[in-house]
Amino acid sequence: AQSVTQLGSHVSVSEGALVLLRCNYSSSVPPYLFWYVQYPNQGLQLLLKYTTGATLVKGINGFEAEFKKSETSFHLTKPSAHMSDAAEYFCAVRPPGYALNFGKGTSLLVTP
Amino acid sequence: ETGVTQSPTHLIKTRGQQVTLRCSSQSGHNTVSWYQQALGQGPQFIFQYYREEENGRGNFPPRFSGLQFPNYSSELNVNALELDDSALYLCASSSGDRGIDEKLFFGSGTQLSVL
Repeated sequence: AQSVTQLGSHVSVSEGALVLLRCNYSSSVPPYLFWYVQYPNQGLQLLLKYTTGATLVKGINGFEAEFKKSETSFHLTKPSAHMSDAAEYFCAVRPPGYALNFGKGTSLLVTP
Repeated sequence: ETGVTQSPTHLIKTRGQQVTLRCSSQSGHNTVSWYQQALGQGPQFIFQYYREEENGRGNFPPRFSGLQFPNYSSELNVNALELDDSALYLCASSSGDRGIDEKLFFGSGTQLSVL
């Protein structure tokens, strides 16, 4: 079974600072990995995904993530945080055609 | 705006009652999956329907059941509600082609409170 673990349930950064949200995966086969964002009272929006090919994946809103097989990681980064980035972020793993397995989420707080 | 709509947005029930939640898929999508998101947790997969047939189920008891209609809209039914069923229920639709680029589009969810 494939699963993900998100390290840190809450992360606080200053506006303009680097955002780093950590995700490690467990999978016996090459995983398909995703990052979703959830704003208050809204559903989930796909930020980016890794399936095959280039290990550095660029997503929406300036976010990117790097698939590191040797570290079984898929950390999400953004060079400069905006106030509008405050939200809940979920890492997920999913075999094609099957269900997403989500992590427990990381709440990002951006302070002025 | 994803085109996936869920109703109602909020619902309050009492323990032991039954509830039906509804989801309208994005146009052209024939696959619907349902997730339960408890407070402070990530979404958990309940089940998936492909062309009106259930084709995947998570670790949820049989009192969680579903339907998918010919127009690919879907219902989630929960019988004998328990307090722990209080959660945000999310519906997601997809094209069902199971390819690498298959994308899930989520609705905004139904917030169910069981008292």
